[in-house]
Amino acid sequence: SQQGEEDPQALSIQEGENATMNCSYKTSINNLQWYRQNSGGGLVHLILIRSNEREKHSGRLRVTLDTSKKSSSLLITASRAADTASYFCATCSSNTGKLIFGQGTTLQVKP
Amino acid sequence: EAQVTQNPRYLITVTGKKLTVTCSQNMNHEYMSWYRQDPGLGLRQIYYSMNVEVTDKGDVPEGYKVSRKEKRNFPLILESPSPNQTSLYFCASSRLQQAAQGDTQYFGPGTRLTVL
Repeated sequence: SQQGEEDPQALSIQEGENATMNCSYKTSINNLQWYRQNSGGGLVHLILIRSNEREKHSGRLRVTLDTSKKSSSLLITASRAADTASYFCATCSSNTGKLIFGQGTTLQVKP
Repeated sequence: EAQVTQNPRYLITVTGKKLTVTCSQNMNHEYMSWYRQDPGLGLRQIYYSMNVEVTDKGDVPEGYKVSRKEKRNFPLILESPSPNQTSLYFCASSRLQQAAQGDTQYFGPGTRLTVL
């Protein structure tokens, strides 16, 4: 069953605006990761937040984690057209290493 | 450069014609796995391997085989491909401990397979 569910499914904003994507999951986790998928298909790891962290920053990315609500959010500040992509959260089945991905949020940043 | 490579990147084939998608990593990772990505279904794990000669089924293993004879390679074999195996395939790798802890995994560029 899908563990990470993203919201919204699609988001369209103007360049310079901030984009916020949310992810919910069902079971306890060690870490939660965010990946980006470009139109060409490649999956790129963006950021990992551990279960004992509440917030993490990486450049224009800010990730929060609320383990009590089993949710995470990814904020991209000052968005650029090059940020246009799909974004996925992923949790892990620790006994097999299997990553469980959400359905993703498709972000379009208009120039 | 640390990377996961997949070949081919694109493949169009016909039903029943055996094919192999190769995956290779140069990071000395113990853990490797295969996923397929389909619209509306997301990414699903096909097979994984925790080390050489150790492989196990993921969520959707039917119609696929894998082998892990060397640490760096983890080929995905479709003995008799069918149209429902048309998909985007990803190989991933990581340290075994990283995988077990849900840490970062490194993905290949993807192989877009069409089975006619």
